[in-house]
Amino acid sequence: QKEVEQDPGPLSVPEGAIVSLNCTYSNSAFQYFMWYRQYSRKGPELLMYTYSSGNKEDGRFTAQVDKSSKYISLFIRDSQPSDSATYLCALGRGGATNKLIFGTGTLLAVQP
Amino acid sequence: SQTIHQWPATLVQPVGSPLSLECTVEGTSNPNLYWYRQAAGRGLQLLFYSVGIGQISSEVPQNLSASRPQDRQFILSSKKLLLSDSGFYLCAWTSGSVYEQYFGPGTRLTVT
Repeated sequence: QKEVEQDPGPLSVPEGAIVSLNCTYSNSAFQYFMWYRQYSRKGPELLMYTYSSGNKEDGRFTAQVDKSSKYISLFIRDSQPSDSATYLCALGRGGATNKLIFGTGTLLAVQP
Repeated sequence: SQTIHQWPATLVQPVGSPLSLECTVEGTSNPNLYWYRQAAGRGLQLLFYSVGIGQISSEVPQNLSASRPQDRQFILSSKKLLLSDSGFYLCAWTSGSVYEQYFGPGTRLTVT
């Protein structure tokens, strides 16, 4: 079993839709959770990060963590064509090395 | 503010040739540095990380090596490239006190 599982998609939605992207994980030692956005042929860009269960909101984006279910989500409201990208979840255990484990990414296409 | 540079942006090399990819970070000191490889349709695979000058940890046995000759410089090398070394190589950094990693623009390597 992989440490982090992420639905690869692709996911296609109309402009203005609410998008839900999800990852599950198996190791309860993960303490911090991030979402990255990666446009084609570019480096990943950090979107959201959180260190606890619950919701964190930033504009149209909401990150949700449920440690009891080992489940994290990213919601995008009022999706725009510019949101079309691959979204990667990343989890870390802490410690001096700050290593992250990444999901395989979900490819999202927002149709105008 | 901090910035991270990678070069070259694109590289086409024949099998058996050497490789040197460079990553530099500006605006911070004593960062943790990471090399990842991203194959088409796959997630990010951590190759090497470094918590200080001359300190290199390898995650996956392979045809590659890494060095950190200066505090903010990280180099990925190979003596003889294989076809399987093709991919998108990403450098990332984080400071010691936070867990979020920030990525460079990447180098797309094609081994022919």
